[in-house]
Amino acid sequence: LLVESGGGLVQRGGSLRLSCAASGFSTEFFVMGWVRQAPGKGLEWVSVISGSGETTHYADAVKARFIISRDNSKNTVDLQMNSLSADDTALYYCVKEGCSGGDCYDHFDVWGQGTMVAVSS
Amino acid sequence: EVVMTQSPATLSVSPGERASLTCRASQRVSSNLAWYQQKPGQAPRLIIYGASSRASGVPARFSGSGSGTEFTLTINSLQSEDFGVYYCQQYNSWPPMYAFGQGTKLE
Repeated sequence: LLVESGGGLVQRGGSLRLSCAASGFSTEFFVMGWVRQAPGKGLEWVSVISGSGETTHYADAVKARFIISRDNSKNTVDLQMNSLSADDTALYYCVKEGCSGGDCYDHFDVWGQGTMVAVSS
Repeated sequence: EVVMTQSPATLSVSPGERASLTCRASQRVSSNLAWYQQKPGQAPRLIIYGASSRASGVPARFSGSGSGTEFTLTINSLQSEDFGVYYCQQYNSWPPMYAFGQGTKLE
């Protein structure tokens, strides 16, 4: 089970920190990440982090603005979002990689219910 | 970078019929192709991974096939609960990214 929190309304240029709490499995054995969906639009991958936290990957649209991190002792994954724009308005899903091994990238087998981020201009 | 293109955008099918959804990659990709189902107001659900392996709890009427640049999701004997939007997704190792298709609405 993945439960996201931290979403809300923020002004353009502002920052927001999303958090994802995992239960039922140990996050250290899996790549974890974030996928977003703008209202009425399709799915867009945002970022992933390896099981150890040593490796991170970002979509070009968020590179240099978003930072993903994890705390395996707490089974949580965070997404620090800076310099937000209207294009970042979306429902943000926390996801778990489906293949086991902290450095395996393939598909997402567990999804949270999402937390909404709205950026006002 | 790899671009995934799904067709058709919308597919109208009656219950009991078969539906075939297509996902094409802009370049040859590995078989690490996944399909997700999303219903209104719900999070996506993994249906197929590895191009042809059904996820846990997915009925046998769902099947995936394909390789290279073209992949297909087939749903036999459509049930009312199968309607929704389906997305394909592929992981590309360089540049590292997960690419989603734009979705096919099955109605």
